[in-house]
Amino acid sequence: LAKTTQPISMDSYEGQEVNITCSHNNIATNDYITWYQQFPSQGPRFIIQGYKTKVTNEVASLFIPADRKSSTLSLPRVSLSDTAVYYCLVVTGSSNTGKLIFGQGTTLQVKP
Amino acid sequence: NAGVTQTPKFQVLKTGQSMTLQCAQDMNHNSMYWYRQDPGMGLRLIYYSASEGTTDKGEVPNGYNVSRLNKREFSLRLESAAPSQTSVYFCASSERRDTGELFFGEGSRLTVL
Repeated sequence: LAKTTQPISMDSYEGQEVNITCSHNNIATNDYITWYQQFPSQGPRFIIQGYKTKVTNEVASLFIPADRKSSTLSLPRVSLSDTAVYYCLVVTGSSNTGKLIFGQGTTLQVKP
Repeated sequence: NAGVTQTPKFQVLKTGQSMTLQCAQDMNHNSMYWYRQDPGMGLRLIYYSASEGTTDKGEVPNGYNVSRLNKREFSLRLESAAPSQTSVYFCASSERRDTGELFFGEGSRLTVL
């Protein structure tokens, strides 16, 4: 299984760009990388997913280098409402057989 | 759209009691999952169901049983609750397993005394 490692916590200020990196050294060829956001007392919410290079949506960007052993979630111009826990998830195994294992998450604190 | 609905939202049990957490999704998803989240910790997979009629163990299955009643519903049962099972339980569903795009319920907070 591709174990993920993320920083436990990060601090930032409003308006800054935040980059959170996830390490997944044992990622397999068919694995996808997915990021989630979780606010207190709520279930996680899907943010973005990717396989290689760069993916961008209205919320974030995901950068994945060629070796795919890590990925970086980039949040542009964060606001106080982006304070949350962010999880990196590597989907291991083929369809209908893989186990969706979450990492420990990164607690992002955005300060005014 | 309801998405993923969990019941109950809160429950207090005594050690040794049994209970079932219910989960239903209205997105016609094939796969469903049960996770637990302990204070200050990440999500741990208890059981999952890749498709109707199938279930499989996750990281922490001991003390739990599951039933995939139909495509919509996936229940989690604690036969003899223990204080170590005090946690927040999340149900999730996905159309496909291989892309990991999960939709989560709001959680069920369980306390075992």
